[in-house]
This record gives sequence, C-alpha cells and structure tokens, in this order.
Amino acid sequence: AQTVTQSQPEMSVQEAETVTLSCTYDTSENNYYLFWYKQPPSRQMILVIRQEAYKQQNATENRFSVNFQKAAKSFSLKISDSQLGDTAMYFCAFIPPYGQNFVFGPGTRLSVLP
Amino acid sequence: DSGVTQTPKHLITATGQRVTLRCSPRSGDLSVYWYQQSLDQGLQFLIQYYNGEERAKGNILERFSAQQFPDLHSELNLSSLELGDSALYFCASSQLDGSVNTEAFFGQGTRLTVV
Repeated sequence: AQTVTQSQPEMSVQEAETVTLSCTYDTSENNYYLFWYKQPPSRQMILVIRQEAYKQQNATENRFSVNFQKAAKSFSLKISDSQLGDTAMYFCAFIPPYGQNFVFGPGTRLSVLP
Repeated sequence: DSGVTQTPKHLITATGQRVTLRCSPRSGDLSVYWYQQSLDQGLQFLIQYYNGEERAKGNILERFSAQQFPDLHSELNLSSLELGDSALYFCASSQLDGSVNTEAFFGQGTRLTVV
C-alpha cells in the first residue's frame, strides 16, 4: 500500500524567515507525482507545487521549492520569506501514473508569527 | 477559483436523514474524487469516478453512495446520517488522460453538520 507520512504535526516560523516541512512516502512505483497542498483557515484546498518523479530537477514556485530525494522517498517543502498568509495546514500528496487515488499525508499545521 | 463547483456550501440536517452533495468538475476533467475531512483531520478518500464509471473505492461506508452522470457532474449520497458524519466533504477533479495524472483541483467543499 502506498502511504504518505508527515512527521511534524505543527510548526511555527517568524515572518520573513525560512521553514521546511517534511514528507516521506512509500511506494514500489518508479514513476509517480508528488504534490503539496495548502489549506488555509478558509479550508479551501490550494495546490502549492507539484513534482514528477522522473524529473531530477526540484520544482520551484516563487517562494516555494521542494527538495525531492527519490532514493530516500523524501519530498520536503521549503517556504522562503514566510508571510502571514502562509499560515495554513500543508498536506503532502502522492499519486502514481494511472493512479486511482491521491494519497494524502496527515498534514502539518504551520503558523507564521509576526 | 479552481473551476470545481460544489453545492451546497453548508448543510445542516438531523440524524437519520439523507442528503445529496453535488459536484461539477472543471471543464474537460473526466475524473472526480470525493474526500471526507473531519474536524482537524486529514483527507479520507471515499470514491473515484472516471468518465461515468466507478474506478476506485476507499473507506466509504455502505450508507454512502455516489455516481457520475453523462455530463460528468457527480453526486454523493449520504443516508441514515449519524452525528459522526459531520465533516467537510470535498470533491476534486483531474484530467486523467490515460497517460499522465495531473494535479487534483478541489472544490470549496460542503460543510455537513448532523444534529
């Protein structure tokens, strides 16, 4: 079974600082897709960033970047220059190609402090 | 705006009742997923439809059922409701074009409160 683990239930960071959220996953697949979703207090699920496993280059989206370590099955999210609006639950998610289900981790609650 | 529309946004109903949640996927998306999120919990996968056919089932109770119609909108039916069914129910859609999965785009959710 494919599983996603986020070992940090809660984290906090000072505004303008950098924070890294951890995610590990378990799969026997070679090609798959990984995502980070953000869920602010409004509870809307918002895609932050995606990574294809066959791409060695780490994905970046403005202040958000990932550190994808395929051999270690690790997919961490780095948020630079943290802003108050980054306060949210962050979910790591996985799906193999032709996959039938996006598997989500339990989430990390991030608080950005002024 | 993700392009996925869920109605209603809020629903309050009594135990034992039946409700229907509706989802319209993004234009062009063939795959629809339903997830349940209880308070301060993660997302539990319920069921997936692809182009009208059930493709995968997760931890969906027998009291729950779903379908996807020819116009690709989907409905999640919850019956004999219990207090523990109170949750945020998300619908998500993706292209799933047969060769590669794209990201899932989520609706705003339906907040169900069973009293």
